[in-house]
Amino acid sequence: NAGVTQTPKFQVLKTGQSMTLQCAQDMNHEYMSWYRQDPGMGLRLIHYSVGAGITDQGEVPNGYNVSRSTTEDFPLRLLSAAPSQTSVYFCASSYLQGSRDEKLFFGSGTQLSVL
Amino acid sequence: GESVGLHLPTLSVQEGDNSIINCAYSNSASDYFIWYKQESGKGPQFIIDIRSNMDKRQGQRVTVLLNKTVKHLSLQIAATQPGDSAVYFCAENPFGGGADGLTFGKGTHLIIQP
Repeated sequence: NAGVTQTPKFQVLKTGQSMTLQCAQDMNHEYMSWYRQDPGMGLRLIHYSVGAGITDQGEVPNGYNVSRSTTEDFPLRLLSAAPSQTSVYFCASSYLQGSRDEKLFFGSGTQLSVL
Repeated sequence: GESVGLHLPTLSVQEGDNSIINCAYSNSASDYFIWYKQESGKGPQFIIDIRSNMDKRQGQRVTVLLNKTVKHLSLQIAATQPGDSAVYFCAENPFGGGADGLTFGKGTHLIIQP
């Protein structure tokens, strides 16, 4: 199993540009989420999804959009990048509460710089 | 505010010693707790989890202790090795659920001295 796969690993954008961070998991997890990690701030939840067609906002959703058209994929879109969005982004997935294995599995991250 | 926190941002231990990383949580409704390890340039890696109906859970060289009375969580690593050097995060679910809805602490950097 590949687990949680994120692409790209590194990205540099100019202010105002748009891009999509890709995330795919092959574990048939219902739950998928995006976190950003900034120095001294820990991991903060951006958006999450509990199944195909269902998304919801996390702690820091502004400036980001998500969609969940399939169980496997959960892309994160930056419509107009800002320097404040410079961060390391992690995608994560798990089974839902009450399922047999509730561990949250993380991808290897995307390091994004917005100039 | 931060509902999950750590007492020390950096912990330095000698190789072969045991290490204890602490975590405080503020929500008595939290039912599920996880410890993650993050090495430089990598994503967080699951170490061990525990539910609130347990006080202790052991894995390979790691033990998690949960004290619900004082809302305190700790991770013990036995016989530390150089590969244990990493940032360790605790996480809780304050909504009574599982992995969906986790809130993470800021992390403790564990340094293993040779």
